[in-house]
Amino acid sequence: AQRVTQPEKLLSVFKGAPVELKCNYSYSGSPELFWYVQYSRQRLQLLLRHISRESIKGFTADLNKGETSFHLKKPFAQEEDSAMYYCALSRNAGNMLTFGGGTRLMVKP
Amino acid sequence: KAGVTQTPRYLIKTRGQQVTLSCSPISGHRSVSWYQQTPGQGLQFLFEYFSETQRNKGNFPGRFSGRQFSNSRSEMNVSTLELGDSALYLCASSLDASGINEQFFGPGTRLTVL
Repeated sequence: AQRVTQPEKLLSVFKGAPVELKCNYSYSGSPELFWYVQYSRQRLQLLLRHISRESIKGFTADLNKGETSFHLKKPFAQEEDSAMYYCALSRNAGNMLTFGGGTRLMVKP
Repeated sequence: KAGVTQTPRYLIKTRGQQVTLSCSPISGHRSVSWYQQTPGQGLQFLFEYFSETQRNKGNFPGRFSGRQFSNSRSEMNVSTLELGDSALYLCASSLDASGINEQFFGPGTRLTVL
């Protein structure tokens, strides 16, 4: 069975500091990895997915199959990045997502 | 275009009752997935429907069921409610069941079981 682990429930950084939200997964097949974000009073929404290999709002994430990780990074955090971030995995086909427990990012001024 | 809508937004029920939640996907989307979100267990997949057929089912008891109509709207039902069923229930819609297309989430239905 697949599993997603986000070891940090809360990450607090100052504006302008680098951010790394950790995500580790376990799955025997070829997973697809996602980062979802939920801003205050807004819906859960897709931030990025590993197959896109693109940067969204300055965030990037690289799939490391050797370390089974998909950490989310941003070189300079902004206050508007404060939100709940969820790492998720889907099997190689389909919409079924397995979510990690989430990390709350707080960016202080 | 309008996003995913869920009704009702809030529900209060008592133990032993049953409840039906509704999800209307984005126009043109044919896949609807349901998730349960609780502080203790986080976001957990319930089931996915595509073209009126259940494609995947999560690890939930048979008290949790769902269906999808020909217009892609979906309902989920929970029978014999337990206190532990108190949660935010989210649905998400996607164009199809391939996993290639983005899933869009609704605002959720907050169910409280007393």
